[in-house]
Amino acid sequence: DQQVKQNSPSLSVQEGRISILNCDYTNSMFDYFLWYKKYPAEGPTFLISISSIKDKNEDGRFTVFLNKSAKHLSLHIVPSQPGDSAVYFCAASAFGNEKLTFGTGTRLTIIP
Amino acid sequence: DAGVIQSPRHEVTEMGQEVTLRCKPISGHNSLFWYRQTMMRGLELLIYFNNNVPIDDSGMPEDRFSAKMPNASFSTLKIQPSEPRDSAVYFCASSRTLPGANVLTFGAGSRLTVL
Repeated sequence: DQQVKQNSPSLSVQEGRISILNCDYTNSMFDYFLWYKKYPAEGPTFLISISSIKDKNEDGRFTVFLNKSAKHLSLHIVPSQPGDSAVYFCAASAFGNEKLTFGTGTRLTIIP
Repeated sequence: DAGVIQSPRHEVTEMGQEVTLRCKPISGHNSLFWYRQTMMRGLELLIYFNNNVPIDDSGMPEDRFSAKMPNASFSTLKIQPSEPRDSAVYFCASSRTLPGANVLTFGAGSRLTVL
């Protein structure tokens, strides 16, 4: 039972354009959402997060949008750079619960 | 801060052998997590500890898997006997518990290959 779903296994985007990665969740108890970035042979690293009391959070080139009614979140990267090529994981947790439930990841490739 | 340290980075073993993966969390972090990464299921939680006590082990696949945290600076994940389907990358992560805003820091992972 995959509670966090990333339906696009891969995505290719031209350098300088916008990258949009999507994530859907099924558990209505989730109230905190995170994006992690993973390079080959390294562990995932935290990128950006959003609480359910917000619908948008921005950090430099990265913006996360949350649509609670649709149980959907997205990560926007503008402008995309070659160093952004990595696997991106969406994760979620419920209030009072420390564990993070992850999606299966989306491999983003930025084309120079 | 050296981050979360895992060993070994790579392990190749034969079916039936015992495998022990090790993790040293970040000093001051009171929660520790073991995840397994596979192509089909992404990152799945196996078990997590809070203040060295196992809190949720519902993700542990079967009795062949066991995990311990004897103190705040060390944890092991053991597979006995190992099987080819256990081949995966195993990640350890730690965090300082913050209600409603828990961010995990991951180690570099241990890649396990069971022949």
